[in-house]
Amino acid sequence: KAGVTQTPRYLIKTRGQQVTLSCSPISGHRSVSWYQQTPGQGLQFLFEYFSETQRNKGNFPGRFSGRQFSNSRSEMNVSTLELGDSALYLCASSLDGGGGTGELFFGEGSRLTVL
Amino acid sequence: GNSVTQMEGPVTLSEEAFLTINCTYTATGYPSLFWYVQYPGEGLQLLLKATKADDKGSNKGFEATYRKETTSFHLEKGSVQVSDSAVYFCALSDSYSGGSNYKLTFGKGTLLTVNP
Repeated sequence: KAGVTQTPRYLIKTRGQQVTLSCSPISGHRSVSWYQQTPGQGLQFLFEYFSETQRNKGNFPGRFSGRQFSNSRSEMNVSTLELGDSALYLCASSLDGGGGTGELFFGEGSRLTVL
Repeated sequence: GNSVTQMEGPVTLSEEAFLTINCTYTATGYPSLFWYVQYPGEGLQLLLKATKADDKGSNKGFEATYRKETTSFHLEKGSVQVSDSAVYFCALSDSYSGGSNYKLTFGKGTLLTVNP
């Protein structure tokens, strides 16, 4: 079955712009999580959605937002981009959020470069 | 809050060498523990897991034992191959009920390079 699909895979933006990243989960998965991966901070949790509801949010400023649609697809948005937002953004899907089993299925990520 | 500390890399080994990557954690409740692997250019994949104390997770020749007394979950493999070259992440999920149930806390990752 198809894996987690993230688009776009690569993008370059300039400071002050905004960006929207998309994630299509594995069919049947209702939970989508987002993580930011940087060399300095590693993997940091952004937020998790289940059935269109945000259940948990990480420690990121309000410029980072997300949503989930009725078909479980998810988008995240970063407004007023800063240089420090350059990172690999990973989406992960699971049946229940992975809290119990840890079984998160990750996409290949969207690599954002902010100039 | 929850945290995971894993050994700094990079780790460079010759093929067939023994591998240990140390991981210790701090958590409230009763965490489940995981090792994820990220091959070059790919997303993370679950390698193995353990959900309670003294459990041993294993997969593809890798093993890790959940040690509650030392709050550790060290990854081991008896004989590494070139194809094992990747970044390895230790992670935990606090299985205690509550909002934190819906996220994993990851270590910073350890880059392993295996030379032929």
